[in-house]
Amino acid sequence: RKEVEQDPGPFNVPEGATVAFNCTYSNSASQSFFWYRQDCRKEPKLLMSVYSSGNEDGRFTAQLNRASQYISLLIRDSKLSDSATYLCVVNRGSGGSNYKLTFGKGTLLTVNP
Amino acid sequence: GAVVSQHPSRVICKSGTSVKIECRSLDFQATTMFWYRQFPKQSLMLMATSNEGSKATYEQGVEKDKFLINHASLTLSTLTVTSAHPEDSSFYICSARGGGGVDTQYFGPGTRLTVL
Repeated sequence: RKEVEQDPGPFNVPEGATVAFNCTYSNSASQSFFWYRQDCRKEPKLLMSVYSSGNEDGRFTAQLNRASQYISLLIRDSKLSDSATYLCVVNRGSGGSNYKLTFGKGTLLTVNP
Repeated sequence: GAVVSQHPSRVICKSGTSVKIECRSLDFQATTMFWYRQFPKQSLMLMATSNEGSKATYEQGVEKDKFLINHASLTLSTLTVTSAHPEDSSFYICSARGGGGVDTQYFGPGTRLTVL
């Protein structure tokens, strides 16, 4: 089983649509969780951290279910500028030599006019 | 936010040459820097972790003699791809993490290496 597994995609949605991405991780001892976005041929950029209580940042809502080892990202009212690859990222440890980010393969989202 | 620079942004070289990539943290001291590689349509794969003043820790399957990492200061780490071959062509990205238990990595813009 892969350490971090995401929906393979790609997702093509019209502007204004709501889209959800799913991710599972294999290491139950993982400490922290993130969603990054990566534009074509660019570096990944942090979109948001994911907390057990769930968190929201504008149109973006992230959820974490530790029992199921499942992470999700919901984008509401999608914009053309949301088109990118969304990466699910898991940190196995909190500090020292345990700190290591593992990236999912990413899910490509294209928002169409 | 914190800024990490990488240089060069793009390299095209002949097979057999060595290529050095620099990664700098511009406005903070990076106790740890990470080097990743990303092939087309694949996820970022961690190659190695480097701590200032000590030897880098390489991930399984990454040849330390081929990918030389030097982290001589708190703001600079270099990755040298020695005797590069076409299969080394990839997008190399560094990231930097500050001390004090900060749980955020700041990524450089990446270096696209093409080996002919």
